[in-house]
Amino acid sequence: GAVVSQHPSRVICKSGTSVKIECRSLDFQATTMFWYRQFPKQSLMLMATSNEGSKATYEQGVEKDKFLINHASLTLSTLTVTSAHPEDSSFYICSARRNTEAFFGQGTRLTVV
Amino acid sequence: KNEVEQSPQNLTAQEGEFITINCSYSVGISALHWLQQHPGGGIVSLFMLSSGKKKHGRLIATINIQEKHSSLHITASHPRDSAVYICAVDNTDKLIFGTGTRLQVFP
Repeated sequence: GAVVSQHPSRVICKSGTSVKIECRSLDFQATTMFWYRQFPKQSLMLMATSNEGSKATYEQGVEKDKFLINHASLTLSTLTVTSAHPEDSSFYICSARRNTEAFFGQGTRLTVV
Repeated sequence: KNEVEQSPQNLTAQEGEFITINCSYSVGISALHWLQQHPGGGIVSLFMLSSGKKKHGRLIATINIQEKHSSLHITASHPRDSAVYICAVDNTDKLIFGTGTRLQVFP
């Protein structure tokens, strides 16, 4: 079946640094990918929709300069958390669709110290 | 009120029990997804359905479009079924997620 791979699975970084998270569709092309954030014991919240070859669409309240999204190819989208702060610590997960079926990455647990 | 409501929020069961998790939604949908999230965080898609019933192994998912309700059933539950089960609906190409049901199955 289709697989979405996300890397890294865990990252610890210092405040003020930037962190890049990669999301790859391994056996299908994804013109659109989705980035979610999940706080402990809460549901997934859509941050942005990544569109191949064009600008991402951000949800209300998500800072586009803080969370940079690049979707340079049909199989790769990246989320860069810039100038990370402790409050950015969270679980980030990407998703892609093949037809109507949704596939999820393994998630990235970001800890900013 | 959330657009997707799940119940119960937490569920404990003894191994072998029959389990039901419910999902109600208030928006128009094209499909409904049942997802499983393990403690490590990774999410696996269990079912996508737009009508009727689907079965995969010990898992059964049903949906009633008129009543805007879906159920996920687990027969002969096992400790390895312990996870968070999330209902998500397809609404205008976006997924809207329920808050999840945390299931613990004890041996």
